[in-house]
Amino acid sequence: QLQLQESGPGLVKPSETLSLTCTVSGGSISSSSYYWGWIRQPPGKGLQWIGSTYYSGSTYYNPSLKSRVTISVDTSKSQFSLKLRSVTASDTAVYYCARLDYYNSGGFDFWGQGTLVTVSS
Amino acid sequence: QSALTQPRSVSGSPGQSVTISCTGTSSDVGAYNYVSWYQQHPGKAPKLLIYAVSQRPSGVPDRFSGSKSGNTASLTISGLQAEDEADYYCCSYAGSYNWVFGGGTKLTVL
Repeated sequence: QLQLQESGPGLVKPSETLSLTCTVSGGSISSSSYYWGWIRQPPGKGLQWIGSTYYSGSTYYNPSLKSRVTISVDTSKSQFSLKLRSVTASDTAVYYCARLDYYNSGGFDFWGQGTLVTVSS
Repeated sequence: QSALTQPRSVSGSPGQSVTISCTGTSSDVGAYNYVSWYQQHPGKAPKLLIYAVSQRPSGVPDRFSGSKSGNTASLTISGLQAEDEADYYCCSYAGSYNWVFGGGTKLTVL
């Protein structure tokens, strides 16, 4: 069974960079059938797609976050990562990584458990 | 891209049916059949319920169904059960490998 696990600091200071990694197990991150995405959810609010990546390294970002986001993939470690620069309190959220079955279902079919990142000094 | 519009809350009694709407634009919901729905219980990750407008992943009960008309997609839950009480989110492809979620709907089973 495919599993995704987010990891990274739970507390980030304002103006600094939020860095998270998603480790994929039970399946291949290098499959040509899937993309890999980051989605976040501020406390008590809805979901927001942050961006997606493909095993080849192609990346796609939410236009509203594009200037601050970098997503990368490391197939040798079966991981993909998120960096969000110049964070503010509004970036406080649960961050999820998920698999996107772009070619078949167009749905995010496997999710990590999520990790809460708080932006505070 | 703006978030898709969903009602903030809906409710129904056990055994009844409820429908949750998801309104987008001709650039997302109206343009593509890549509409998906997710169920999220408190403190849990979202779970894929419906993909490609009306398809159910294996293991999802057929009480859950999806449809689309124009710029509005809908999720219908029939034969409501207590465990259906959760938040529900729609999601649509918005072109250029971009995706947009709805604001979420809280379902209360009375």
